[in-house]
Amino acid sequence: DAGVTQSPTHLIKTRGQQVTLRCSPKSGHDTVSWYQQALGQGPQFIFQYYEEEERQRGNFPDRFSGHQFPNYSSELNVNALLLGDSALYLCASSKYQGQETQYFGPGTRLLVL
Amino acid sequence: DQQVKQNSPSLSVQEGRISILNCDYTNSMFDYFLWYKKYPAEGPTFLISISSIKDKNEDGRFTVFLNKSAKHLSLHIVPSQPGDSAVYFCAASLTSGTYKYIFGTGTRLKVLA
Repeated sequence: DAGVTQSPTHLIKTRGQQVTLRCSPKSGHDTVSWYQQALGQGPQFIFQYYEEEERQRGNFPDRFSGHQFPNYSSELNVNALLLGDSALYLCASSKYQGQETQYFGPGTRLLVL
Repeated sequence: DQQVKQNSPSLSVQEGRISILNCDYTNSMFDYFLWYKKYPAEGPTFLISISSIKDKNEDGRFTVFLNKSAKHLSLHIVPSQPGDSAVYFCAASLTSGTYKYIFGTGTRLKVLA
């Protein structure tokens, strides 16, 4: 049973560029959440998708957007990249309003130069 | 404003002894708390959780204690093993099943053989 997978594992971009990160949830899960983990910090909630709609959002600007596909996989898009967007981006999947906890993928490390 | 705080960035413990990791929170509306463990190059892995209606939850070597009046929770690991060496994050949410977790900054535990 494959867990949560993310691609790519590493990415280097320059300021002003746009980036797309991808996530496939654990089998049987229908909800995907995205987190940003800056160096030395804990993960910060960006947003959550269920039934192809954004259901909850954290304190992130509109430059951060997402999408969920009918197969429950998800993308995180970041426009007009800033140096401060350099971080580990984690995807977590779960069953919508289920009782078990969410499972995290290994993350995509983004470096903005 | 950091709603979930882990004031000890690191902790070293001898193998076989007890490890105690602490976490404080400021939002009295939090009603579900979790601990995650993170190894390098991996996503956080769920360890144990506790609902606000309980003050203790145990799972094998791991026990979480919740003191609501003090807005404090702790994770006890007994006995500590070298494989427990990792970064530990506490997290909180307003309702279990929403998966919008607020994470602390983490405590790096090193168990010495």
